[in-house]
Amino acid sequence: EVQLVETGGGLVQPGRSLKLSCVASGFTFNNYWMSWTRQAPGKGLEWVASITNSGGSTYYPDSVKGRFTISRDNAQNTLYLQMNSLRSEDTATYYCTRDRIFTPFDYWGQGVMVTVSS
Amino acid sequence: DVVLTQTPPTLSATIGQSVSISCRSSQSLLDSDGDTYLNWLLQRPGQSPQLLIYSVSNLESGVPNRFSGSGSETDFTLKISGVEAEDLGVYYCMQATHAPFTFGSGTKLEIK
Repeated sequence: EVQLVETGGGLVQPGRSLKLSCVASGFTFNNYWMSWTRQAPGKGLEWVASITNSGGSTYYPDSVKGRFTISRDNAQNTLYLQMNSLRSEDTATYYCTRDRIFTPFDYWGQGVMVTVSS
Repeated sequence: DVVLTQTPPTLSATIGQSVSISCRSSQSLLDSDGDTYLNWLLQRPGQSPQLLIYSVSNLESGVPNRFSGSGSETDFTLKISGVEAEDLGVYYCMQATHAPFTFGSGTKLEIK
């Protein structure tokens, strides 16, 4: 059974940093691209970052480019999201997702809440 | 960025009724490889989203066949043939043809 378990969320002040982790199990982690997607309270879904299976390439939308960094440790089956210079508009539930070829987001974690507030 | 417009924003259905949700794209989602990367997801109350349909009309493993998808280029439809109580939640279309990936604003399905 595919499982994705996110940790690392919490309350953080604007301008500060936070790092999320996602531990994967139930599939061969280094065969899959992985992504982060977020959902602001009561709002829709927004793609945040993706990384290739080797970790050699990463992709971001303009809204987080230069502030967020996605990375992975294939030996530990773990995906990360380093979030710097956080803003109030980054407040959201962050989901770790697995990506099949041409089909992103085929499995989702339970999500972790990040609140950016002073 | 590609804008996906979903209608209606809210849908109310009785058990057994068939319903359709529309998703219109601001650009063609036909990729240069010949495929169309338009997916549908369902987010049940208090849960994470789950993939229902990928590449317009392919049913994800384990998803009941009362769900079906159709469409091409800019106009897409999700149909539920015989709504069941477990189908309530918010349905999202999303596209993976153009960067960045984008989602529709969602259609909330309520059960009467």
